[in-house]
Amino acid sequence: DAGVIQSPRHEVTEMGQEVTLRCKPISGHNSLFWYRQTMMRGLELLIYFNNNVPIDDSGMPEDRFSAKMPNASFSTLKIQPSEPRDSAVYFCASSRTGGGQPQHFGDGTRLSIL
Amino acid sequence: DQQVKQNSPSLSVQEGRISILNCDYTNSMFDYFLWYKKYPAEGPTFLISISSIKDKNEDGRFTVFLNKSAKHLSLHIVPSQPGDSAVYFCAARGNTPLVFGKGTRLSVIA
Repeated sequence: DAGVIQSPRHEVTEMGQEVTLRCKPISGHNSLFWYRQTMMRGLELLIYFNNNVPIDDSGMPEDRFSAKMPNASFSTLKIQPSEPRDSAVYFCASSRTGGGQPQHFGDGTRLSIL
Repeated sequence: DQQVKQNSPSLSVQEGRISILNCDYTNSMFDYFLWYKKYPAEGPTFLISISSIKDKNEDGRFTVFLNKSAKHLSLHIVPSQPGDSAVYFCAARGNTPLVFGKGTRLSVIA
């Protein structure tokens, strides 16, 4: 079975540019999570969806960040405009809804904003 | 405010010996705990979990112990193998999504 697929794996762009990260969750999983990993703060939850509906976006750092899930098999995380402090590894994860269901992570997008 | 703490950023263990990774939490509403393992350039991989109604869960070389009164859990790996070298994350959930610790880097030395 295919796991969670993220693209691109690496992104290097200049400050001020729009960045779009993509995620395809595991088929049949109805919860999707976006995380950001930095040395200072570790793994932080940015936003999560249940059945394509955003449930909690309190972790989204600023209005420059937005996430969508137009259907059960695709989600995007967009940063506009990007800033150097957004440089991090961004992970997408998915799970079945229900207590005890572990999240399955993609391999992440390493984002560098110059 | 860190709700899940892994106070040891790194740990080195000889091959064949036991590795013990520790995790403390502060939120008494947490009722389910997980350990994830992460290799470089990959996403975290689920390893083992435990519900708050148990105090031990075992899966092969991996055992997780939960001490609710102390709000402490630990992951034991025995015997440790070089392939176990990775970053291990503790995570907890209750009425919230998973909250992760910052991880402990385990190095198993041959």
